[in-house]
Amino acid sequence: SQKIEQNSEALNIQEGKTATLTCNYTNYSPAYLQWYRQDPGRGPVFLLLIRENEKEKRKERLKVTFDTTLKQSLFHITASQPADSATYLCALDPGDSSYKLIFGSGTRLLVRP
Amino acid sequence: GAVVSQHPSWVICKSGTSVKIECRSLDFQATTMFWYRQFPKQSLMLMATSNEGSKATYEQGVEKDKFLINHASLTLSTLTVTSAHPEDSSFYICSARVHRAIQTYEQYFGPGTRLTVT
Repeated sequence: SQKIEQNSEALNIQEGKTATLTCNYTNYSPAYLQWYRQDPGRGPVFLLLIRENEKEKRKERLKVTFDTTLKQSLFHITASQPADSATYLCALDPGDSSYKLIFGSGTRLLVRP
Repeated sequence: GAVVSQHPSWVICKSGTSVKIECRSLDFQATTMFWYRQFPKQSLMLMATSNEGSKATYEQGVEKDKFLINHASLTLSTLTVTSAHPEDSSFYICSARVHRAIQTYEQYFGPGTRLTVT
């Protein structure tokens, strides 16, 4: 079956450290993958998109990698701050021309001051 | 840029009544809008895809007669939950798509509408 999985356990880190979140998928061949931030009671906010032919994408303190062999994307936040505390969702386009986004269940990040 | 608004942000209604939720793209035109539902601590589940001027495409298991979607213009889509029941209580989020390049797009989400059916 097709699945997109994120660690359901919260990631708890100290301010200033690098947070690394994982997104694994099976039985998809996505053309690209996206990462979103969601705060409680709010809609997701788009952060980054990475294409299948891109190994890495950066935006300020954010970095995303995409390994189509491992079927995995890693999302890094460097020099993390308490304000980065939120749930981070990965989403992929299945690459079946449906142009639908399929979401993982998200990983909650807690950055301690 | 790329702001999506939703109204209302929350609504409480009685069982059996209907509720309409509006979704607007404020600073861009969206040919495609999406409606999602999210239960607590769960992922966003796509309910339907809405294209301007045409009928919405519903995901499997979503009752089209219960969740009426109208995409009347390039900036407005509405979701009407008809004859609402307590199990319809959820967080409804709309989204609008912006194409940046060939086969590449970004998707922007509204702030969500919390529906509680009593």
